[in-house]
Amino acid sequence: KQEVTQIPAALSVPEGENLVLNCSFTDSAIYNLQWFRQDPGKGLTSLLLIQSSQREQTSGRLNASLDKSSGRSTLYIAASQPGDSATYLCAVRPAAGNKLTFGGGTRVLVKP
Amino acid sequence: AAGVIQSPRHLIKEKRETATLKCYPIPRHDTVYWYQQGPGQDPQFLISFYEKMQSDKGSIPDRFSAQQFSDYHSELNMSSLELGDSALYFCASSLDPGLAGGPDTQYFGPGTRLTVL
Repeated sequence: KQEVTQIPAALSVPEGENLVLNCSFTDSAIYNLQWFRQDPGKGLTSLLLIQSSQREQTSGRLNASLDKSSGRSTLYIAASQPGDSATYLCAVRPAAGNKLTFGGGTRVLVKP
Repeated sequence: AAGVIQSPRHLIKEKRETATLKCYPIPRHDTVYWYQQGPGQDPQFLISFYEKMQSDKGSIPDRFSAQQFSDYHSELNMSSLELGDSALYFCASSLDPGLAGGPDTQYFGPGTRLTVL
């Protein structure tokens, strides 16, 4: 059974610092990995999707890497802003089937 | 750009009542997923449909059922509601996940917040 873990559970940084969010998964037989942002009580906004054959994806200030063999992904957010404050979740889709298994999320606070 | 639409956004029910949640996927998306997110928890997969057929099943209680219609919208029917069913229910949609090499990003709706009293 796939297990997804995100460490740390919470992170507080001053504005302008780079954020590094970690995601690990136990079963490397994945089809892709997706990073989401969730504001309190709100829906999930897809940030980046990395296919299993890819090593990284970039979108603006966001960069996500994937090391499938070691079961790890990292989301980097450059030059953090107070508006980046949210919970960030990673989710993996297995090689067989299409359900996403989510990590517990990292709650980020960027202080002005 | 059009997003996933869910209705209602909020729903309050009594124990043992029934509830129906609706999901309208992004136009041309043929796959729909349902997830349940309890308070302080991560989303848990319930069920998915592709071309009106159930494609995958997760931890969905027997009291719940779902279907996808010919216009690709989906409904999640919940009966004999329990207090523990109080949660945020998300619907997501994507293009055919079997499309080799194609992107299959799951786009989530805003969710329906169900409160069972």
